Amino acid sequence: DTAVSQTPKYLVTQMGNDKSIKCEQNLGHDTMYWYKQDSKKFLKIMFSYNNKELIINETVPNRFSPKSPDKAHLNLHINSLELGDSAVYFCASSPAGVVNTEAFFGQGTRLTVV
Amino acid sequence: AQKVTQAQTEISVVEKEDVTLDCVYETRDTTYYLFWYKQPPSGELVFLIRRNSFDEQNEISGRYSWNFQKSTSSFNFTITASQVVDSAVYFCALSDANDYKLSFGAGTTVTVRA
Repeated sequence: DTAVSQTPKYLVTQMGNDKSIKCEQNLGHDTMYWYKQDSKKFLKIMFSYNNKELIINETVPNRFSPKSPDKAHLNLHINSLELGDSAVYFCASSPAGVVNTEAFFGQGTRLTVV
Repeated sequence: AQKVTQAQTEISVVEKEDVTLDCVYETRDTTYYLFWYKQPPSGELVFLIRRNSFDEQNEISGRYSWNFQKSTSSFNFTITASQVVDSAVYFCALSDANDYKLSFGAGTTVTVRA
């Protein structure tokens, strides 16, 4: 059983389109995250949710909107995609921050905007 | 503010050589957590170790070992007798106790040649 699963794994789309990436965790964790990894491999937090509440919104453009319908899911919707949005997006989860354990990462979604 | 510095961008070694990856961190908190993650060419993020700020014991896990020194704010990682399968990008990360995010270093790309 996959602990943190993201779909799709690859996403190629044109500029201006709207797309969503889905994330689900079956670990019973309270906290979920979205990280962005750019072309230089740098990993940066985008959003963090705890018990479906937004905890961290790290200066991400308004075109990015996370949605957490329940504790097990954290989806990422992106409007009006731009070339600069091309990156790998990682979903992650942990019990409550990382006080008790590490963050578990999904396999990543490689988004390519053309 | 938190900051993690991995000064080595790339390291190339021949199989069976030892390789040490440096990680220096900055934080104002007294309670924090340090991590190492591995990202192989397949792209997923693999958890290697988590260490809290009150536990300065060095740790060894097979060919991997970690040296945590609060006095120099460093959490270095050594791979002994490297193998080709160790080729990956290695990330050091930091989280404060009540923070719902990991702050990652820029990563060190390790290439092990046969």
